Amino acid sequence: EAGVAQSPRYKIIEKRQSVAFWCNPISGHATLYWYQQILGQGPKLLIQFQNNGVVDDSQLPKDRFSAERLKGVDSTLKIQPAKLEDSAVYLCASSLGQTDTQYFGPGTRLTVL
Amino acid sequence: GEDVEQSLFLSVREGDSSVINCTYTDSSSTYLYWYKQEPGAGLQLLTYIFSNMDMKQDQRLTVLLNKKDKHLSLRIADTQTGDSAIYFCAEKEGFQKLVFGTGTRLLVSP
Repeated sequence: EAGVAQSPRYKIIEKRQSVAFWCNPISGHATLYWYQQILGQGPKLLIQFQNNGVVDDSQLPKDRFSAERLKGVDSTLKIQPAKLEDSAVYLCASSLGQTDTQYFGPGTRLTVL
Repeated sequence: GEDVEQSLFLSVREGDSSVINCTYTDSSSTYLYWYKQEPGAGLQLLTYIFSNMDMKQDQRLTVLLNKKDKHLSLRIADTQTGDSAIYFCAEKEGFQKLVFGTGTRLLVSP
């Protein structure tokens, strides 16, 4: 069974530029999550989708971050414009349902200069 | 608050046992997880335990849960250099979000 796929693996941009990350969850997983992991910390949930609906986006900085999962499968996370403090690893995870075990992708390492 | 606490660093010799500790916050947490993160990689699920269990063993891994003290530990028997990584504990209650600790960096020396 294929795992959670993410791209790109690495991205370097300058502040005030825009960037987008892509995630393809495990087949059949209805719930998809985006996490931000700052160096030296544990992952922090940004947004959770159940199929194509948002369940929890309470920690998403909505003035600059947006995410969508239009067809209930793939998802994109966008940052516009990026700030220096957005430098982090962005992890995507998926689970069968909201109470099930989460499986993580390899992450996208973002560096904002 | 939502602070799941872990010690930052643990160093052991190859062949020894490693014990990584975690203190969680929510007494109603249903599941408690251990994830492993190697450099440049995502999080790999190692094991999890239901809150109504005291212990779970899976090959070289033993998880102990003390609900009274909200304390979780992960014991790795016969630790190998390939076990060097950051280990995260995480708690979850039902539909609530998964809350991670700060991570423990395990260094295994030959």
